[in-house]
Amino acid sequence: DAKTTQPTSMDCAEGRAANLPCNHSTISGNEYVYWYRQIHSQGPQYIIHGLKNNETNEMASLIITEDRKSSTLILPHATLRDTAVYYCIVREESGGSNYKLTFGKGTLLTVNP
Amino acid sequence: GAGVSQSPSNKVTEKGKDVELRCDPISGHTALYWYRQRLGQGLEFLIYFQGNSAPDKSGLPSDRFSAERTGESVSTLTIQRTQQEDSAVYLCASSLVVDRGEQYFGPGTRLTVT
Repeated sequence: DAKTTQPTSMDCAEGRAANLPCNHSTISGNEYVYWYRQIHSQGPQYIIHGLKNNETNEMASLIITEDRKSSTLILPHATLRDTAVYYCIVREESGGSNYKLTFGKGTLLTVNP
Repeated sequence: GAGVSQSPSNKVTEKGKDVELRCDPISGHTALYWYRQRLGQGLEFLIYFQGNSAPDKSGLPSDRFSAERTGESVSTLTIQRTQQEDSAVYLCASSLVVDRGEQYFGPGTRLTVT
């Protein structure tokens, strides 16, 4: 019962920005947006998370709309090694069963040379 | 090492045998999680530990599955009398505390039951 909707797949040219959208229209005020990715045959890797402000780290930027109903993960200069399934997850920061990460089907991003 | 480690990386076992999977979390992480991922499927939560206590075991598929953790260190997931449907990648993750922050995953153990 993932609370997010993502496109099944996307393509991006190497060196270009990859913009991965996520809809989370039922997000509540105390829920954060987390992004993970899973490269083939590896465990998931945390990328970034945010509540309402845009966030940036060494891997990516996260843009959250003002109404918080959608967000975009941006990989500024995609490389072939960024080919992976990207998961957008909505999660309460504390309480309830927030310890479980509920992974949906994610977006398969393929970076092409 | 700096990350979560799991062993073995691959395990092939015969139906009916018991297996033990090991997870070494990141040092200082109090929370530890086990997930299962069947081929082509999403992650399925199994169990988590806060210290050596497991408050929620509801994700364990059957009573053939059990897990324990020594203090805030190593955890083992044991599957007794393995069945073919147990074949999957078993992933372990850890986080600094249970309800805040990101989870860091290990590389997984690929279990094949023949």
